[in-house]
Amino acid sequence: QVQLQESGPGLVKPSETLSLTCTVSGSSIGGYYWSWLRRPPGGGLQWIAYIYYTGSTKYNPSVNRRVTMSVDTSRNLLSLELSSVTAADTAIYYCARHPGTYYDFWIDSWGQGILVTVSS
Amino acid sequence: QIVMAQSPSASASLGASVKLTCTLSNGHAAYAIAWHQQQPDKGPRFLMRLNSDGSHTKGDGIPYRFSGSSSGAKRYLTISSLQSEDEADYYCQTWGTDVHVAFGGGTRLTVL
Repeated sequence: QVQLQESGPGLVKPSETLSLTCTVSGSSIGGYYWSWLRRPPGGGLQWIAYIYYTGSTKYNPSVNRRVTMSVDTSRNLLSLELSSVTAADTAIYYCARHPGTYYDFWIDSWGQGILVTVSS
Repeated sequence: QIVMAQSPSASASLGASVKLTCTLSNGHAAYAIAWHQQQPDKGPRFLMRLNSDGSHTKGDGIPYRFSGSSSGAKRYLTISSLQSEDEADYYCQTWGTDVHVAFGGGTRLTVL
């Protein structure tokens, strides 16, 4: 059974860069699409970015200029960097797996999430 | 652009059944969706992938009490024999070439 575990700092200062890692176990990263998502306080789920195991990416236009997602297939890791953060980026961040194709983009596995607070 | 509407809240009694609705926007009635459950202080959990014809594939270990159905642009999640641990937020998720991952606003289910 696939397991995803997010890790990284829980507190980031405004204007700095948020950096998170997702460790994937029970599944190879190869052959799948993977996403980062978040849930702000009192809000709903928001998709941030996805990556294919080959390294091809797509970003949500709302964060496009600030976000970078990468993959390390040798270590089964996903990474997220979000630059120039503000309080609006405070959220629980999740990584997730898409088991289907590019045209069938449902999610079947989620991490437990990591709370990231942006504050000085 | 795909938009999915969900009622913000729902409630039902312990042991009863509840039917949650996700409504797809105009022109998207043929789209499949996925239902996800998020219990308090936990990560989301995939419940099922639901097609426009009502056929669905559930995630590993999802109880028989959870079922899905469809009618036109509406996608339903029915939970029978409600238990206290079913109290959670429920999200529908869809996808398309214009918006790769989209969510409804979620329904908070209270078990009375």
